[in-house]
Amino acid sequence: AQSVSQHNHHVILSEAASLELGCNYSYGGTVNLFWYVQYPGQHLQLLLKYFSGDPLVKGIKGFEAEFIKSKFSFNLRKPSVQWSDTAEYFCAVPGGTRQLTFGSGTQLTVLP
Amino acid sequence: DAMVIQNPRYQVTQFGKPVTLSCSQTLNHNVMYWYQQKSSQAPKLLFHYYDKDFNNEADTPDNFQSRRPNTSFCFLDIRSPGLGDAAMYLCATSIPGAGGEKLFFGSGTQLSVL
Repeated sequence: AQSVSQHNHHVILSEAASLELGCNYSYGGTVNLFWYVQYPGQHLQLLLKYFSGDPLVKGIKGFEAEFIKSKFSFNLRKPSVQWSDTAEYFCAVPGGTRQLTFGSGTQLTVLP
Repeated sequence: DAMVIQNPRYQVTQFGKPVTLSCSQTLNHNVMYWYQQKSSQAPKLLFHYYDKDFNNEADTPDNFQSRRPNTSFCFLDIRSPGLGDAAMYLCATSIPGAGGEKLFFGSGTQLSVL
């Protein structure tokens, strides 16, 4: 089964700084990759997903992620963060039939 | 416009006292999941239903049970909660599709065990 690892547990940035959160996956076959976000007090929601095609995926709120097969990576990026981007971000892969396996998450704090 | 609804938002129980958490959905999705999320950890799948078919994860303790009386509702029963069961419990739904899953999550129930 696939797994994902997120190496940054907590990232603190100032507004307008650029963001890159790391995600590495373990399996080299057909890969589907997801980023989920959990804003304070809210439910987990899908930010973006990669199934196939263009390795640069654009999601909601100006986020994007790039699938780099040679590096087994699917890093999340945003050119200029806002205070409202403060949240926890989870990378995920299918973990079995009808399942998702989540990474341990990265808490992003954006300072105003 | 809540689509996956979990009640209550906060639940306090006593050590060893059975507790039931509720989840309902308005999406008519085939699949419903229960995840456990402890502080600063990844959500961990406990079990899921595909329609009425129950799928238990191998490492889910026997203390955790689930019921799905119909498409819309799913319950998580913790028979004898221990201190280690204090966590956020997340319900989610999906429609099985090719190439991966998109999950719709509820807001979760934060369980405290005294």
